[in-house]
Amino acid sequence: DAGVTQSPTHLIKTRGQQVTLRCSPKSGHDTVSWYQQALGQGPQFIFQYYEEEERQRGNFPDRFSGHQFPNYSSELNVNALLLGDSALYLCASSFPGTYNEQFFGPGTRLTVL
Amino acid sequence: QKEVEQDPGPLSVPEGAIVSLNCTYSNSAFQYFMWYRQYSRKGPELLMYTYSSGNKEDGRFTAQVDKSSKYISLFIRDSQPSDSATYLCAMKDTDYKLSFGAGTTVTVRA
Repeated sequence: DAGVTQSPTHLIKTRGQQVTLRCSPKSGHDTVSWYQQALGQGPQFIFQYYEEEERQRGNFPDRFSGHQFPNYSSELNVNALLLGDSALYLCASSFPGTYNEQFFGPGTRLTVL
Repeated sequence: QKEVEQDPGPLSVPEGAIVSLNCTYSNSAFQYFMWYRQYSRKGPELLMYTYSSGNKEDGRFTAQVDKSSKYISLFIRDSQPSDSATYLCAMKDTDYKLSFGAGTTVTVRA
């Protein structure tokens, strides 16, 4: 049983560019959350998707947007990249109706130069 | 003041010792509490999940929650070098997001 998968593993971009990160949830999971983890910090909640809608959003600017597809996979888009966007981006999924337990993928490490 | 406070350590213990980790929080609405383990350059792995106050044991791991003091703990008995990792506490209220501590880096010396 595959766990949460994310692609790509690493990404290097320059300031002002746009990036798209992808996530496939664990089998049987229907809810996807995205987190940003800066070096030496705990993950910070970006938003959560359920039934292809953004259900809750954290304290992140509109440059961060997302999408969920009918197969429950999800994308995170970041526009107008800033140096401070360099971080590990984590995707987490959870079973239907049990969003307390969230299972994380390996993350995508984004470096903005 | 951060919503969840966690001493970043680092914490270094000899193999076989008990590792004691803790977090404090300020949001009295938190009622679900988790501990995650994160190896270097990997995603967090869910170790323990508890609801409200009390203790929960799973093998070598024991999680304690004291809501009256807004304090949670994780104990690792008979620690092994493979337990060397960063341990993150996380908690949530009735909404959907997890609020994390900064993580404590633990090294178990062989």
